[in-house]
Amino acid sequence: SQKIEQNSEALNIQEGKTATLTCNYTNYSPAYLQWYRQDPGRGPVFLLLIRENEKEKRKERLKVTFDTTLKQSLFHITASQPADSATYLCALVTGNQFYFGTGTSLTVIP
Amino acid sequence: EPEVTQTPSHQVTQMGQEVILRCVPISNHLYFYWYRQILGQKVEFLVSFYNNEISEKSEIFDDQFSVERPDGSNFTLKIRSTKLEDSAMYFCASRGLAEETQYFGPGTRLLVL
Repeated sequence: SQKIEQNSEALNIQEGKTATLTCNYTNYSPAYLQWYRQDPGRGPVFLLLIRENEKEKRKERLKVTFDTTLKQSLFHITASQPADSATYLCALVTGNQFYFGTGTSLTVIP
Repeated sequence: EPEVTQTPSHQVTQMGQEVILRCVPISNHLYFYWYRQILGQKVEFLVSFYNNEISEKSEIFDDQFSVERPDGSNFTLKIRSTKLEDSAMYFCASRGLAEETQYFGPGTRLLVL
């Protein structure tokens, strides 16, 4: 069966450190993968997209890697800030369908 | 900045009643989506809509669900006979033709009693 797993439901880190979130998938062949941020009671907000033929993408303090052999994407937030505290979702895209992972709740401790 | 809007923000209904959730996508977008998120669970794809017809739908999107674009701006999700398990946050999203990301609305929280 198809599955998307994100690392440990909750992740706590100290301000200033790098947060690394993991997205593993099985039985998908995504054309691309996206990362979203979701705050409580709000809709997901797009952060970054990476295509299957790309290894790495960066945007400001964010970095995403995509390994289609391992079927894994890593999402890094460098120099983390308390304002980065939120739930982060990965989404695999095939055709016109978006499949979301369960999300990782990140708390950045001042 | 253009954004997706949804109404109502909250809806309470009795089991068996019909509900219509409304969305106004970003004006020049051509792809429209509905998702649901049961409290504490993941965002689940329901349906995508393009060129006035459903392009893809999930197993969740059974005969009790329907979508419509009644005019040039609104995109609606109708649940014909609500069940307790339909209680969730429903998100609408839209995407432009040349874009690979979608923009989500703030959601409608549906509670079925």
